[in-house]
Amino acid sequence: GDSVTQMEGPVTLSEEAFLTINCTYTATGYPSLFWYVQYPGEGLQLLLKATKADDKGSNKGFEATYRKETTSFHLEKGSVQVSDSAVYFCAFYNTDKLIFGTGTRLQVFP
Amino acid sequence: NAGVTQTPKFQVLKTGQSMTLQCAQDMNHNSMYWYRQDPGMGLRLIYYSASEGTTDKGEVPNGYNVSRLNKREFSLRLESAAPSQTSVYFCASSRDRGTYEQYFGPGTRLTVT
Repeated sequence: GDSVTQMEGPVTLSEEAFLTINCTYTATGYPSLFWYVQYPGEGLQLLLKATKADDKGSNKGFEATYRKETTSFHLEKGSVQVSDSAVYFCAFYNTDKLIFGTGTRLQVFP
Repeated sequence: NAGVTQTPKFQVLKTGQSMTLQCAQDMNHNSMYWYRQDPGMGLRLIYYSASEGTTDKGEVPNGYNVSRLNKREFSLRLESAAPSQTSVYFCASSRDRGTYEQYFGPGTRLTVT
């Protein structure tokens, strides 16, 4: 069935380090792909999205490219900040519903 | 612009008690959703309403009921709470069904003892 697989966390980095959080999906067709972020004590917020193959979504220095061949949508950031500490969720739409991964916790230390 | 609001923020129930979680959105969205979030399991869809007047079961509907009261409001009811329903509950809305971004409320942390 449809599913999202994310790398397990926590991911622990020093400030200004390079970030990659892997995401692969299993879906019928070519769905729109999303990254959501959840800061401590808050609801989820859309971070970025891509709606078709080879699209690159970007926001706040984060990027992810829709790779149809590898069914992947990896999240990257060149230089993380302490304020990026949060849980990151990869997701895609299946008809009416968003299918979420289990989330990856990122901890950034000064 | 308040976006998606949820009440209450915190609740403690005893096993067998009932309660209703309230959700409202002011973005004129057609679709609304209820999720639960548990450690290591991400978000799981409980129920959704693709449009006013319709509701459908999600992945984990057992033990819950919903009401789409009007276009703005979508409530989630626990008729007889169980410890397995201890979780954080999120309401979300989107412009329409399909590929549109979902906007989330701040969540309700529910503990059932």
